Amino acid sequence: QSALTQPASVSGSPGQSITISCTGTSSDVGSYNLVSWYQQHPGKAPKVMIYEVYKRPSGVSNRFSGSKSGNTASLTISGLQAEDEADYYCCSYASTSVLFGGGTKLTVL
Amino acid sequence: QVQLVQSGAEVKKPGASVKVSCKASGYTFTNYYMHWVRQAPGQGLEWMGIINPSGGSTSYAQKFQGRVTMTRDTSTSTVYMELSTLRSEDTAVYYCARSNASPMIRWFDPWGQGTLVTVSS
Repeated sequence: QSALTQPASVSGSPGQSITISCTGTSSDVGSYNLVSWYQQHPGKAPKVMIYEVYKRPSGVSNRFSGSKSGNTASLTISGLQAEDEADYYCCSYASTSVLFGGGTKLTVL
Repeated sequence: QVQLVQSGAEVKKPGASVKVSCKASGYTFTNYYMHWVRQAPGQGLEWMGIINPSGGSTSYAQKFQGRVTMTRDTSTSTVYMELSTLRSEDTAVYYCARSNASPMIRWFDPWGQGTLVTVSS
């Protein structure tokens, strides 16, 4: 099983919105509503931002939202803030395993 | 609060084994599954496998089968990950991460602070 496909980098200015895509296959992203997204700042452990495609854990800003269409999931961050600059990873359940995306570096200009 | 605290950094020679620990606190240890995920320098996240702390059953990513062993000690709420026959490509930060108690993984939360394992001759 291959990793999920994410763009290597995205950027946006403060206040703008950005979307990060995560493309899998009909065996993982397309088969299960079990996509989650993780934010990772340099030298820190990942933190869950979205789970089950669109659900937000308690304490996560409502500026973060998730969606899915077919084999592609998306993370949207609205009202970009400097603190959102980080690496973002998507993750999908895939039957007997778990797949991560290669990660997307978000730069806030 | 829910917390996962991992053991300290390790330096190993090629061919050796390493055993990393992850001590859980703040919740009922046997009510959630635990996973190990690694991250090579400058690279992405890679899932290694899962252990059910309740019964000790495990499932490993195909890439690591035969080289990884995950165990737990319910008396100390600690899970362990042992990786054998180390090679330079195993140099990475190893994380433990808690998930929901189901084989269908919904989320990872929280994560341990990470343990750097360096494999070098």
